[in-house]
Amino acid sequence: DAAVTQKPRYLIKMKGQEAEMKCIPEKGHTAVFWYQQKQSKELKFLIYFQNQQPLDQIDMVKERFSAVCPSSSLCSLGIRTCEAEDSALYLCSSSQSSETLYFGSGTRLTVL
Amino acid sequence: GMPVEQNPPALSLYEGAESGLRCNFSTTMKGVQWFQQNHRGRLITLFYLAQGTKENGRLKSTFNSKERYSTLHIKDAQLEDSGTYFCAVEAHTNKVVFGTGTRLQVLP
Repeated sequence: DAAVTQKPRYLIKMKGQEAEMKCIPEKGHTAVFWYQQKQSKELKFLIYFQNQQPLDQIDMVKERFSAVCPSSSLCSLGIRTCEAEDSALYLCSSSQSSETLYFGSGTRLTVL
Repeated sequence: GMPVEQNPPALSLYEGAESGLRCNFSTTMKGVQWFQQNHRGRLITLFYLAQGTKENGRLKSTFNSKERYSTLHIKDAQLEDSGTYFCAVEAHTNKVVFGTGTRLQVLP
């Protein structure tokens, strides 16, 4: 699989703290997606960037998250104030348009 | 939203058996991708299809955009095939939405 890098691998935060996760997309990929997965269930779409611009995001992201892709080499997803239900695996993926999505290994966030 | 339903939700197969997984979606889509998620959580790409059928070893996938479904067929199941299989459909807006998943257990 292609190399999408996510850091950190594990993140532990207290309720109310801020969290930040980083993603380095595969070189040359113009689309970046973030997904949230709880307990190995379905992947929930969070936000989609095309050429560093956010094109679509769910309400939860608009309200409590901060996501940017300032360059094609580094994107980040942040949670302003962590809540218990934010505990999940956060997966970043990238692709060229209309092609295969490649995933990173994810950041597993635990909110205590 | 764009609900993407997968059937069955869970499946058990004995080694050597075969079965099909199905992915249904509510509107026409540009493409579909199938993944296997292993016990460590890693997503492994299996196929991307914009139309028709693709085959790779013991796996075969079809995509019928008009009828709004895709299938993944596994033959001669092996223990390492165990995991959760997700389809992900790509809308014409390029947004990608995942299905609900099928948890497969291959038994010796």
